[in-house]
Amino acid sequence: QVQLVQSGAEVKKPGASVKVSCKASGYTFTGFYIHWVRQAPGQGLEWMGWINPNSGGTNYAQKFQGRVTMTRDTSISTAYMELSRLRSDDTAVYFCARTSYGFFFDYWGQGTLVTVSS
Amino acid sequence: EIVLTQSPGTLSLSPGERATLSCRASQSVSRSYLAWYQQKPGQAPWLLIYGASSRATGIPVRFSGSGSGTEFTLTISRLEPEDFAMYYCQQYGGSPVTFGQGTKLEIK
Repeated sequence: QVQLVQSGAEVKKPGASVKVSCKASGYTFTGFYIHWVRQAPGQGLEWMGWINPNSGGTNYAQKFQGRVTMTRDTSISTAYMELSRLRSDDTAVYFCARTSYGFFFDYWGQGTLVTVSS
Repeated sequence: EIVLTQSPGTLSLSPGERATLSCRASQSVSRSYLAWYQQKPGQAPWLLIYGASSRATGIPVRFSGSGSGTEFTLTISRLEPEDFAMYYCQQYGGSPVTFGQGTKLEIK
């Protein structure tokens, strides 16, 4: 069965960086895009960008351009999202999610809470 | 970018009743590329509907989606206790993909 398993919760200071992983199993990793979506406490869902695991190509939401980097390691079927220059308003749960033949999200990771606090 | 506005913000109903949730887009959603998700506290969203009206795998028939252009609707025909949750619409017809702000379906 398809699974996306994310790394554990992180606490970071303002100005630091965080790198969250998303390990895929149960399907061909290189066949489906991986997206990152975040959700601030009590708020809605915000799309951050995607990575094509086959080519490594990426597309980032304009809001995060220059601060986010999405990468992958096909040898271990894992995608990564690194966010730099963290601010307090980056405190959120970060989800990875898979898309197939359209950019709707058919499988999601369990989420990773990133807390930014001094 | 396409802005999605969901209404109502909160919907209070009883089990067995019919729920109608609305999602309005600021411009036409190409090819009815609209999805609906359910999210419960502490969990990831769960895909219910894609392409405005296609049920995802394993989704009960009481969930249905309709609409086109700028107006979309999620209908739950007879509410079960497990249906009380947050619901989000998402468009993927334009770039970037965007989500509505959500409708909270609560027990009356």
